[in-house]
Amino acid sequence: QLQESGPGLVKPSGTLSLTCAVSGDSISSSNWWSWVRQPPGKGLEWIGEIYHSGNANYNPSLKSRITMSVDNSKNQFSLNVRSMTVADTAVYYCASGVPAAGTVVYFWGQGILVTVSS
Amino acid sequence: DIQMTQSPSSLSASVGDRVTITCRASQSISSYLNWYQQKPGTAPKLLIYAVSTLRTGVPSRFSGSGSGTDFSLTISGLQPEDFATYYCHQSYTTPVAFGGGTKIEFK
Repeated sequence: QLQESGPGLVKPSGTLSLTCAVSGDSISSSNWWSWVRQPPGKGLEWIGEIYHSGNANYNPSLKSRITMSVDNSKNQFSLNVRSMTVADTAVYYCASGVPAAGTVVYFWGQGILVTVSS
Repeated sequence: DIQMTQSPSSLSASVGDRVTITCRASQSISSYLNWYQQKPGTAPKLLIYAVSTLRTGVPSRFSGSGSGTDFSLTISGLQPEDFATYYCHQSYTTPVAFGGGTKIEFK
């Protein structure tokens, strides 16, 4: 199971910090720990992924503003997004990217709505 | 970057109908193609992975096919619980990409 936590409201130009607590699995497994967001009424946008080693891949469109990290001792991983704007308003999901039959499939947390507003 | 184009973006259907959603990748993604179902206010759920393998517990009315760049999801005999939005997803390479979604609505 995955559970996101963090603020539901962020001011413009502020920084969003989200954490995803992992239960029932080890953060040190072979999964890629991922973040995906969904603006209200729109589709899914991949933000990035991180491995337990700290190796990360980011969406090029967001790369300059995001940082991901993993905390093996707490079995959780985190996302920071800097310089937030109204366009960053979305439901943010954490997901586990699990290898399966050669592909990688996502199992999702419940999501957290983050609104950017002054 | 690989782009995933889904069509249609929405469709109207009735219970019992057979519906097909297509997903096209901008370059070959081999068999690294998955499908998710999302209902309002909830997170997406995995339906099909590696093009055609049904996740355990997913009804057999769902099926997937394709290879390379062209893929499809078919629901044979639409049920009331199937009215939802469906997304394809390529995990062939990063950045990972999702299709724009197909919303199935009641006719």
